[in-house]
Amino acid sequence: GAVVSQHPSWVICKSGTSVKIECRSLDFQATTMFWYRQFPKQSLMLMATSNEGSKATYEQGVEKDKFLINHASLTLSTLTVTSAHPEDSSFYICSVELAGGPSTDTQYFGPGTRLTVL
Amino acid sequence: GDSVTQMEGPVTLSEEAFLTINCTYTATGYPSLFWYVQYPGEGLQLLLKATKADDKGSNKGFEATYRKETTSFHLEKGSVQVSDSAVYFCALSDGGNDYKLSFGAGTTVTVRA
Repeated sequence: GAVVSQHPSWVICKSGTSVKIECRSLDFQATTMFWYRQFPKQSLMLMATSNEGSKATYEQGVEKDKFLINHASLTLSTLTVTSAHPEDSSFYICSVELAGGPSTDTQYFGPGTRLTVL
Repeated sequence: GDSVTQMEGPVTLSEEAFLTINCTYTATGYPSLFWYVQYPGEGLQLLLKATKADDKGSNKGFEATYRKETTSFHLEKGSVQVSDSAVYFCALSDGGNDYKLSFGAGTTVTVRA
């Protein structure tokens, strides 16, 4: 399967600061990447769909000005949590969709980034 | 909208026991169905999938059959090992252009030696 990395794996920041999380597909090009949020002992909630070269599509209830997504290349998407607050503390996970071929409905997930806002 | 309901955990089993995790879904179209597994400290990994009714997905001794008549995709394994301890997520893809995934709440499985 595809290899997806995220950086950093864990970040602690002060309230009011911004944090950038990177998601990279290491061994293939991905036109579509997804960003999820996972609260403790809960399921993944889709935040947005990121398409290379175009604006991200946000799910209902997700503030696009707070969670800035940039997908400038076929191997990198970034999520920036702006003016973070303690309620933004969560586990953020990205996934990529393989472009083309018979497995276009299969997503490959990164290991996640744990954000703690103090 | 599309949704997935899966059995609540946690589930604790002894090695070599039989495991079943129930999963039912609601969808307007003809979704693909998935089971993902999250081992401690790791990201989600695709365990198995099925793309149409009556398909059976299988991997690592796990099986699940796409049952359209009961809108179910239950996960089973005949003899679990300690290494199967993980969180299991049932999910569906609406098959639209973006293949968005809707996840169940996850079921934590602990296998004791």
